[in-house]
Order: sequence, then C-alpha cells, then structure tokens
Amino acid sequence: NAGVTQTPKFQVLKTGQSMTLQCAQDMNHNSMYWYRQDPGMGLRLIYYSASEGTTDKGEVPNGYNVSRLNKREFSLRLESAAPSQTSVYFCASSVGQGNTEAFFGQGTRLTVV
Amino acid sequence: GNSVTQMEGPVTLSEEAFLTINCTYTATGYPSLFWYVQYPGEGLQLLLKATKADDKGSNKGFEATYRKETTSFHLEKGSVQVSDSAVYFCALFSGGYNKLIFGAGTRLAVHP
Repeated sequence: NAGVTQTPKFQVLKTGQSMTLQCAQDMNHNSMYWYRQDPGMGLRLIYYSASEGTTDKGEVPNGYNVSRLNKREFSLRLESAAPSQTSVYFCASSVGQGNTEAFFGQGTRLTVV
Repeated sequence: GNSVTQMEGPVTLSEEAFLTINCTYTATGYPSLFWYVQYPGEGLQLLLKATKADDKGSNKGFEATYRKETTSFHLEKGSVQVSDSAVYFCALFSGGYNKLIFGAGTRLAVHP
C-alpha cells in the first residue's frame, strides 16, 4: 500500500542545473499537488492538477514547470535551479472533492548551492 | 483571496496540559476545514476535518469546531502527551479554486 511516492528523497544541485522531481500515487486520485515547505512559511502551493490533463499555477510557480503525465504521475521540473529554491518539496493527492483527505508523500529535501 | 492564519509557535507545554492552537480563515463560500499534523521527518497526515458550519471534527483526543460566525477552527486537546510533539497545520479547501490552502504551521513541543 504505497500511497504517494516521491523520488528522490534528497538532492543537492548546483546553481543553474536542472532536475525533475517525480511523484506517483496508486489511489486512483484525480487531483495532485506540489508544495514547498520553508521555515516559518508553512506549505505554499507551487502547481496543482485538478484532473488528468489539466494543470494550474499555485502561489509560487515561478521557476517551476509541471507535467501530469497520466492519472498516476505528476512531475515537477526545475529548469535552472537557484539557491532560493532550496526547500523541502511535498507531493500530495486527493480524490478531488473538497471534503476529502489529501495524502502526502515523504518529501524531497533539495539544496541548491 | 482565500487564506489561513494560525497562531505563531512554538508552543511549549508540560505533559497533561490543555492545548489550544488558534486558526482563522478568510474564504468565499463554504470551505471545508482541516487540521494536518507533521511528525519529525515525515509528510503531513490528516488529523481531523469539518465540512460545514458547527461541525466538530475529532481524532486521537483532538477536537476542532467549524465556527462560521467567527471564521475560526481552533484545535484543542484536553491532555497532551509527549508523543503529540509535532507541527500542526490548519488548512481549507476552496472549492471555487479547487485547491488546498495551508496556514504557516504551529510547532508544539510537549515535555515530560
């Protein structure tokens, strides 16, 4: 019963490098989300996908792109990493209606040097 | 826009003390409200929820009541344990925008 799986768990990048964070869920959920967590800032929504084939910007989309590859997978790409993108990234999924639970992955700790 | 405001932490309590973590929200319509908990090194997990005014969510001794008149959803527990030490997040789901919005989180430390 995997739930939401994120890879990698840890990553160190140099400024200007690119990388893709992977997320997959096995609960047949419609909606998927990418958040970043920074000290004192809580969780801020980067992008979300309400359903397969759609993506929308959240609060802090600059510097990121996403792909909803299929219903299971939602990836987050950093095209040119910057130190300001050092953070812990969480992927989450939910059935899609408002009163249902969101399930979170274990997080990816990204450091950009 | 929609937003969630939580009391700042950290909150430090002795075991068996009473806990209140304040949460207020701004939203159009009738959002669903949630409390999530994050234990060290882990992702968030749902603690409780309420979907309409005057609903009370409860789980593991924690409770919160959806108060539309005060736009609040305060988290309470009568007697905390060391194992409750974690970061607690208040959140709302905005149906109109189809997304989950979190507060900044409140760190709770419980000492024996």
